Amino acid sequence: GPKVLQIPSHQIIDMGQMVTLNCDPVSNHLYFYWYKQILGQQMEFLVNFYNGKVMEKSKLFKDQFSVERPDGSYFTLKIQPTALEDSAVYFCASSLALTGGHSDYTFGSGTRLLVI
Amino acid sequence: GEQVEQLPSSLIVQEGASVLINCSYTDSASVYFPWYKQEPGKRLQFIIDIRSNMERKQNQRLTLLFDKKTKHLSLHITATQPGDSAIYFCSAISNYAQGLTFGLGTRVSVFP
Repeated sequence: GPKVLQIPSHQIIDMGQMVTLNCDPVSNHLYFYWYKQILGQQMEFLVNFYNGKVMEKSKLFKDQFSVERPDGSYFTLKIQPTALEDSAVYFCASSLALTGGHSDYTFGSGTRLLVI
Repeated sequence: GEQVEQLPSSLIVQEGASVLINCSYTDSASVYFPWYKQEPGKRLQFIIDIRSNMERKQNQRLTLLFDKKTKHLSLHITATQPGDSAIYFCSAISNYAQGLTFGLGTRVSVFP
C-alpha cells in the first residue's frame, strides 16, 4: 500500500546544532503529523499540519521546533537548537481525513535522532 | 488530556493460542480507537479500529470489544502465528483533538 517515507532513518547530532527531519507523505493525503517516542515511553503527538499551516501543537512542541512543507514536497520538522532531551524516534504520519477515518492514517518508519 | 493504558506490557504464547490485550482510556470525549501493530524494525501498521457508537468489531482473527461505560477496550487475537509477533498499540482520539493518544504498547511474542 501507499507509504510514508522518512529521511534519514538515523541522525546523530551535536547538542546546539540544527537538524531537519524529512517526511515524504502519501501523495493524496492532506493532513500531516509528527509524533515523538522516547525510548521505553509511549508515542506522543507533537503537531498537526494542514493547508500550509500548523493546526494544533502539543506542549511537547517547543519553540525550538518548526514544521513546514515547502513546494508541496517534503514535510519537515526542524529543531534549532537541539537539546539532549530531543533524542527520540520521530514518526511522521499522513492522512486524508482529519478524524474518524483513521484507517488511512499512515505512519513512516521513524527517524532515530540522537543528540550528543 | 487523554491518557491511554495498556495491559499487559508483554506476553508470550505458543502458536495457535489466543491473546487478549486490554486498553483503557480516560477522556470520555474520545470517539475513535485505532489499533496498530509494529513488527521489529518496521513501521506502524493499522490493524483494526472501532468507534464509540459500536461495541464489537471483527476482522478475521482479530476481535475488538469496546465498553463506553467503563472506557475499556480489549483486542482478542485467535489462532496466533509467529507472524503475529509484534508490539500492539491502542490509541484514542476525540473530535476536538488533532492527534492520536497512544498507549505504551503490548509486546506479543508467539513461539512455534
